[in-house]
Amino acid sequence: GEDVEQSLFLSVREGDSSVINCTYTDSSSTYLYWYKQEPGAGLQLLTYIFSNMDMKQDQRLTVLLNKKDKHLSLRIADTQTGDSAIYFCAFSSSGGSYIPTFGRGTSLIVHP
Amino acid sequence: DAGVIQSPRHEVTEMGQEVTLRCKPISGHDYLFWYRQTMMRGLELLIYFNNNVPIDDSGMPEDRFSAKMPNASFSTLKIQPSEPRDSAVYFCASSNEVARGYGYTFGSGTRLTVV
Repeated sequence: GEDVEQSLFLSVREGDSSVINCTYTDSSSTYLYWYKQEPGAGLQLLTYIFSNMDMKQDQRLTVLLNKKDKHLSLRIADTQTGDSAIYFCAFSSSGGSYIPTFGRGTSLIVHP
Repeated sequence: DAGVIQSPRHEVTEMGQEVTLRCKPISGHDYLFWYRQTMMRGLELLIYFNNNVPIDDSGMPEDRFSAKMPNASFSTLKIQPSEPRDSAVYFCASSNEVARGYGYTFGSGTRLTVV
């Protein structure tokens, strides 16, 4: 299997919460990231979490980390049409010189 | 700060032609990365540099691909000869020693189409 797995698509209604899930294989991961890619643009770092944290909240974004299950999730509260994009999960560790390993991305579609 | 600047934004070329993609990293960033994004393979790391020196080029798919970083503010990725299967979006990203654990800054990418 791949090092980072994400579902390919998620469709939500505007105003609802979105939860994008990710599983990873490297138990030595130090940093875990969520990147956002809007159409025609590069990846933009949304948020990151250290492996010694369980949760991080930043305005509408909540990141949850379950190290035991190697599961990372991104919750977007009050999802807006402007949140429609591809969301990439990634992890890095000192053993890999902090080079992130990316998932394939989850396309979030927000409809009215 | 203008961010990571890539050129051209779009490139259409005929099979067999040489293609050169360009990248200007953020000033002060001493790590530079080249990625390729396709539907089939997702985001692949091709090569990265530290202080202008190539550190890991194991992701470069074939000898047709080469990358250089002649100075701290400029890098090129060259494909010669190009083939239709090289069609993809190529991203450049940069970081520095302190920030690289906290994520990279990506350019807007070059969409390459080889016909």
